[in-house]
Amino acid sequence: GAVVSQHPSRVICKSGTSVKIECRSLDFQATTMFWYRQFPKQSLMLMATSNEGSKATYEQGVEKDKFLINHASLTLSTLTVTSAHPEDSSFYICSARSGKGTDTQYFGPGTRLTVL
Amino acid sequence: GENVEQHPSTLSVQEGDSAVIKCTYSDSASNYFPWYKQELGKGPQLIIDIRSNVGEKKDQRIAVTLNKTAKHFSLHITETQPEDSAVYFCAASDSGYSTLTFGKGTMLLVSP
Repeated sequence: GAVVSQHPSRVICKSGTSVKIECRSLDFQATTMFWYRQFPKQSLMLMATSNEGSKATYEQGVEKDKFLINHASLTLSTLTVTSAHPEDSSFYICSARSGKGTDTQYFGPGTRLTVL
Repeated sequence: GENVEQHPSTLSVQEGDSAVIKCTYSDSASNYFPWYKQELGKGPQLIIDIRSNVGEKKDQRIAVTLNKTAKHFSLHITETQPEDSAVYFCAASDSGYSTLTFGKGTMLLVSP
């Protein structure tokens, strides 16, 4: 149980285009989903927290107009990187938490974004 | 806010040896401490977690200890195997509604 999927696993795009990454909780309802960014050989950096049906809460320094997050259902959250540039190239990972009374976050497999 | 320090940054052991990774945290309100294993190119996988109402938890070859007074917690892996080679992250949070603060990670290499 507690499986989280991400799609796509890998994407290459041209500078200036937008890319959408999907995060799904496959066997549980995720009231809260998180989006992280990870650079090579570094730790996970939290970008934003999203609760189903609410606007995402962004961490300091993360541009909300550039990284659009939608959590429209209890099993799906999407991250759209708008007008991507080479510096946005990174490993993006989502995690999901089922609900009240639980701390546990389950992570997806990650999406490798390369912007040319 | 919370600050989590993790040591060592790299750890090399021989197969069969034990490995210990240590983390300290700054916020005394933190009460949930998970450990994640991340293999190259993959997402983190939860391997064990502990809450502040217990001092130790064990799952087969993996154990975690927590010292709330000293604000540190440790991951112990016994009888290490080459497949244990990965990056391990500790984390802390102060409630079920809070975010996780991660350590910088430990690269564990188990040599056959």
